[in-house]
Amino acid sequence: DAGVIQSPRHEVTEMGQEVTLRCKPISGHNSLFWYRQTMMRGLELLIYFNNNVPIDDSGMPEDRFSAKMPNASFSTLKIQPSEPRDSAVYFCASSPLNGRSHEQYFGPGTRLTVT
Amino acid sequence: KQEVTQIPAALSVPEGENLVLNCSFTDSAIYNLQWFRQDPGKGLTSLLLIQSSQREQTSGRLNASLDKSSGRSTLYIAASQPGDSATYLCAVRPAGANSKLTFGKGITLSVRP
Repeated sequence: DAGVIQSPRHEVTEMGQEVTLRCKPISGHNSLFWYRQTMMRGLELLIYFNNNVPIDDSGMPEDRFSAKMPNASFSTLKIQPSEPRDSAVYFCASSPLNGRSHEQYFGPGTRLTVT
Repeated sequence: KQEVTQIPAALSVPEGENLVLNCSFTDSAIYNLQWFRQDPGKGLTSLLLIQSSQREQTSGRLNASLDKSSGRSTLYIAASQPGDSATYLCAVRPAGANSKLTFGKGITLSVRP
């Protein structure tokens, strides 16, 4: 398996622009997670889905952020409009919903820079 | 609210030394605890996962222990190598149906040749 796939790997955009980050989870995994990592705050969970349904979006910082999972193999995280403080590395992770461990597997991340 | 603490934030050791990385958490009602490794500019790689009913897990030179009642976990690295240099994060998953992990901020390890 190729693991969790994220695109783009790097994104540089100007303040006010829309940014869309993409994620393809590991095939067969039912849960998908979006995280944000910064030096100041560490790794924070933004939202997670079980079977394509958003379960907990309490970590989404504000209405400028939205996430969708239209099917089991694809999810997007959108920021509109983007701001410099959104600059961070955004990770997607997936895990099997069933099974004992619920171990999470992370993608390589998207490094977002908003100028 | 669960809080996960990893102290110190950074550690530098000479090659060959055995070392212990610490992780503490405030709420003992956990489902499991996971240790990750993160290399600079890369994603997280899962190293070991310990279920709440387990005391330890081993993989090669790595051994992770869990003392749920005291809210502590340790990651033991035997015979450290320069290739072990990375940031090590621990994360706990609460008991119940919640799948959210709470992460510590990590310990950045440097193993000097």
